Amino acid sequence: AQSVTQPDIHITVSEGASLELRCNYSYGATPYLFWYVQSPGQGLQLLLKYFSGDTLVQGIKGFEAEFKRSQSSFNLRKPSVHWSDAAEYFCAVGGQLTGGGNKLTFGTGTQLKVEL
Amino acid sequence: EAQVTQNPRYLITVTGKKLTVTCSQNMNHEYMSWYRQDPGLGLRQIYYSMNVEVTDKGDVPEGYKVSRKEKRNFPLILESPSPNQTSLYFCASRIQGRGAMNSPLHFGNGTRLTVT
Repeated sequence: AQSVTQPDIHITVSEGASLELRCNYSYGATPYLFWYVQSPGQGLQLLLKYFSGDTLVQGIKGFEAEFKRSQSSFNLRKPSVHWSDAAEYFCAVGGQLTGGGNKLTFGTGTQLKVEL
Repeated sequence: EAQVTQNPRYLITVTGKKLTVTCSQNMNHEYMSWYRQDPGLGLRQIYYSMNVEVTDKGDVPEGYKVSRKEKRNFPLILESPSPNQTSLYFCASRIQGRGAMNSPLHFGNGTRLTVT
């Protein structure tokens, strides 16, 4: 069965500091990997995705993520965090093995707080 | 504007009183899905639909029903709500078929349900 682990429930960083949010996945084949962001009172918005090719993927809002197959990881990074990045971040995995519906499995989320 | 619209945004009800949460999308997407979000558990899939008249159970379907009579609408029905269904609910849609896994899920803004 596929699964996603986000080991950090809460992270606090200072504005301007770098950020790394961790994501580890379990999947029986080449996965499709996603990072979504949820701002308060909003639905989830796609930040970036990986399905093949270059293991370093660029997303919106200056975010990037690196797929490391050997570590089963897909960590999200940003060189300099802005106060508006405060939100909850979800990693998700899916793929051709998921059967009907190509289901996405989400992690439990990481709540990011940005100190000014 | 392409969007997924859920109604209502907030709902407070009592145990056993049937309710329906509506979901509508204007992107002509074949795939639609319902998730519930609970603290520490992330998003869990309730039901999904790959096309009109085709629905299937997700990970936590107990106590819920859905229908897909039209492509744009995918209502979530709680026939006899219980307090453990107090949660934040999200509807999502995306294309289905070839390229589906490479396409993002589009989320509604959520429905916060409280069952007393």
